[in-house]
Amino acid sequence: DGGITQSPKYLFRKEGQNVTLSCEQNLNHDAMYWYRQDPGQGLRLIYYSQIVNDFQKGDIAEGYSVSREKKESFPLTVTSAQKNPTAFYLCASSPGVQQPQHFGDGTRLSIL
Amino acid sequence: EDQVTQSPEALRLQEGESSSLNCSYTVSGLRGLFWYRQDPGKGPEFLFTLYSAGEEKEKERLKATLTKKESFLHITAPKPEDSATYLCAVHPNYGGSQGNLIFGKGTKLSVKP
Repeated sequence: DGGITQSPKYLFRKEGQNVTLSCEQNLNHDAMYWYRQDPGQGLRLIYYSQIVNDFQKGDIAEGYSVSREKKESFPLTVTSAQKNPTAFYLCASSPGVQQPQHFGDGTRLSIL
Repeated sequence: EDQVTQSPEALRLQEGESSSLNCSYTVSGLRGLFWYRQDPGKGPEFLFTLYSAGEEKEKERLKATLTKKESFLHITAPKPEDSATYLCAVHPNYGGSQGNLIFGKGTKLSVKP
């Protein structure tokens, strides 16, 4: 079945630690996205990539980094510079930027 | 400022009691409006895309409509399995450049048997 796989489902971060969230898609989509979801707020865009080896900052990129070395993969690193990382992180992909985005089932990140 | 507002924040219905969810938007041009359903602990599931005023889309008990300032998601004779948070997102048109999706905060729907 085609889809988007995010791992792990739950992740815990210690103070000063960088953690990486995985996102893999087998939909052959060109565009991929990372969002953050907090209670009572709409989804906020962290980073997006329209093609391999290219990505752009979204609205809340500070404290995060990404790479896009393969079409199928778009990992997100939450660095120690992100002071409030506790949230539900969602990865999405779409055939093109104007087309509907399809989401994975998220990674919930918490602070130890 | 571009904005997407969904109302109500929460809606409780009895099974079979039809109702509508609202998504109002203020953006400088519209490339598309998207409706998603999100279950607890899961990612949003795509439902509909609407591109122009007057357009309508249907899927089972759901029907989405679009005007120049808002969209409605009509739920006819809902069942308990329709309980979820419904998200609206707008893709603005910034004079030819492609803006990113702007999401509303969602409407949490509960349908009681």
